[in-house]
Amino acid sequence: QVQLVQSGAEVKKPGSSVRVSCKASGDSFSRFVISWVRQVPGQGLEWMGGIIPMFGTTNYAQKFKGRVTIDADDSTNTVYLDVRSLIFEDTAIYYCARSYNWAENWFDPWGQGTLVTVSS
Amino acid sequence: DIVLTQSPGTLSLSPGERATLSCRASQSVASSSVSWYQQRPGQAPRLLIYRASTRATGIPDRFSGSGSGTDFTLTINRLEPEDFAVYFCQQYGSSPLTFGHGTKVEI
Repeated sequence: QVQLVQSGAEVKKPGSSVRVSCKASGDSFSRFVISWVRQVPGQGLEWMGGIIPMFGTTNYAQKFKGRVTIDADDSTNTVYLDVRSLIFEDTAIYYCARSYNWAENWFDPWGQGTLVTVSS
Repeated sequence: DIVLTQSPGTLSLSPGERATLSCRASQSVASSSVSWYQQRPGQAPRLLIYRASTRATGIPDRFSGSGSGTDFTLTINRLEPEDFAVYFCQQYGSSPLTFGHGTKVEI
């Protein structure tokens, strides 16, 4: 049974960048899709994009293309999310989650979430 | 993008009652590619249903999903105290993947 453990909370200034990590343990990792989903506190969920670590193939929501990078380190079973040019509206909880492939893209399990606060 | 509209926004019920949650898509969702999640306060979402009607591992059979095309439903029979939470639907039939804004089931 795979478990996803994310890095800790971050406080960043507008215009800066943040890198959030998601480490998988307990099951094969690299052949599945690992996606990032964010949630503004008290609001809905927004899919940002995902990666298949084995191949390095990525798929991004159009909204985030050019400002977000998802990459993976297969040797450490870790996926990373980089968000650049942060704005106040990027304040959210960022979750990583696993799915089987791009077609069967339901999410199970999820990481515990990482709160990113953008504040001046 | 496919917009998912969930209704009602809030459902006020008592333990033992049935909850019926709706998720309507702005266009037909391919291959019934809809999933449902439960989120309790301070926790990550938890998968309940995928492929519109298949229960995830370990999910009690009081949870059931149905629907196709643009209309999907999550039914919770005999509400237990731990079922009071927010429920989200998600479509993965086309990119970008999108979620509904959630239905809160409260006592």
